[in-house]
Amino acid sequence: EAGVTQFPSHSVIEKGQTVTLRCDPISGHDNLYWYRRVMGKEIKFLLHFVKESKQDESGMPNNRFLAERTGGTYSTLKVQPAELEDSGVYFCASSQDLIYEQYFGPGTRLTVT
Amino acid sequence: EDKVVQSPLSLVVHEGDTVTLNCSYEVTNFRSLLWYKQEKKAPTFLFMLTSSGIEKKSGRLSSILDKKELFSILNITATQTGDSAIYLCAVNNNAGNMLTFGGGTRLMVKP
Repeated sequence: EAGVTQFPSHSVIEKGQTVTLRCDPISGHDNLYWYRRVMGKEIKFLLHFVKESKQDESGMPNNRFLAERTGGTYSTLKVQPAELEDSGVYFCASSQDLIYEQYFGPGTRLTVT
Repeated sequence: EDKVVQSPLSLVVHEGDTVTLNCSYEVTNFRSLLWYKQEKKAPTFLFMLTSSGIEKKSGRLSSILDKKELFSILNITATQTGDSAIYLCAVNNNAGNMLTFGGGTRLMVKP
């Protein structure tokens, strides 16, 4: 069974540009999560999808971040316009159900210069 | 706000040693505590604990939860160089499904 995959693995952009990160969850997992770790800090929750619906987006830092999951399969996280403080590693995770463990992808390392 | 604190911050041992990693937490409406191992990329799931006193075991790794004292430990016996990694502890509450992570323990096992 394929695990959670994320693309790209690394992105370097300039301040003010736009970047879109993609996550493909484990097949059959309705629950999809985005997390972020900025330098020197803990991994922090951003938002949670159940199928195509946003269940909880309390961790989204501001309206420059837009997450979508059309069709309830893969998800994208767009940052527009990017700021220096957005640099970090963005992780995606998925779970079969709410009570089950979350499986993480390898992350996308975003560097904003 | 939920909080997870891991200790020690880092640890260096030699192959064959036994290590104990600690995780204490404060969480409203606790649901579960999870341990992950992160080597280079993806945090890899190790254990999920929901009940006190029941040890979960996988090979040389084991973990137990104390819901009264609000902590968990992860034990690794007969350590190997391949155990070198960052070990992450996270808690989940019943209010939502987000995981709250601790800062991790960086373990280095020397040959």
